[in-house]
Amino acid sequence: EAGVAQSPRYKIIEKRQSVAFWCNPISGHATLYWYQQILGQGPKLLIQFQNNGVVDDSQLPKDRFSAERLKGVDSTLKIQPAKLEDSAVYLCASSFSSAGGPFTGELFFGEGSRLTVL
Amino acid sequence: AQKVTQAQTEISVVEKEDVTLDCVYETRDTTYYLFWYKQPPSGELVFLIRRNSFDEQNEISGRYSWNFQKSTSSFNFTITASQVVDSAVYFCALSEAMTGFQKLVFGTGTRLLVSP
Repeated sequence: EAGVAQSPRYKIIEKRQSVAFWCNPISGHATLYWYQQILGQGPKLLIQFQNNGVVDDSQLPKDRFSAERLKGVDSTLKIQPAKLEDSAVYLCASSFSSAGGPFTGELFFGEGSRLTVL
Repeated sequence: AQKVTQAQTEISVVEKEDVTLDCVYETRDTTYYLFWYKQPPSGELVFLIRRNSFDEQNEISGRYSWNFQKSTSSFNFTITASQVVDSAVYFCALSEAMTGFQKLVFGTGTRLLVSP
């Protein structure tokens, strides 16, 4: 079974530029998450999708970050314009969990996209 | 508010030593789940275990064991006879019934270095 795919693995940009990250979850996983992991910290949830609807985006800096999950499958996270403090690894994860269904808490993570903002 | 604290930033051991990673959590909810995830150098987090708040039985899986104590709000992880392949960053995480369990809050992680 293929895992969660993310691209690009590495990206270096200058501040005020824009960047986009792509994620393809495990086939059949209804829930998709984007986490931000700053060096030395634990992952922080940015946004959670249930199929193509947003469940939680309370910690997404909406003035510069946006995300979409068209057709309820793959997803794109965009940052525009980037700031120095956006330097981090952006992790995508997916899970079986669906609304009203059993909760496992087992998230399957991709290898992440490392962003460096200069 | 939910919070997970992993006070140990980095632990270094020699192969075959036992090591315990500490996790202390805060929650106002009576129903919650606790997790441990492993992040090897490749970057992807790997699920290790889930524990619900009503089950305080300790669990053992091979060289891994977990000690859940509600009285001290702790969920510690012990690796017995550590191996070089155990070198990774380990994260403890919490999710609550109030959020529908869907939101995992992670600690800051403990980096484990196992040398030969």
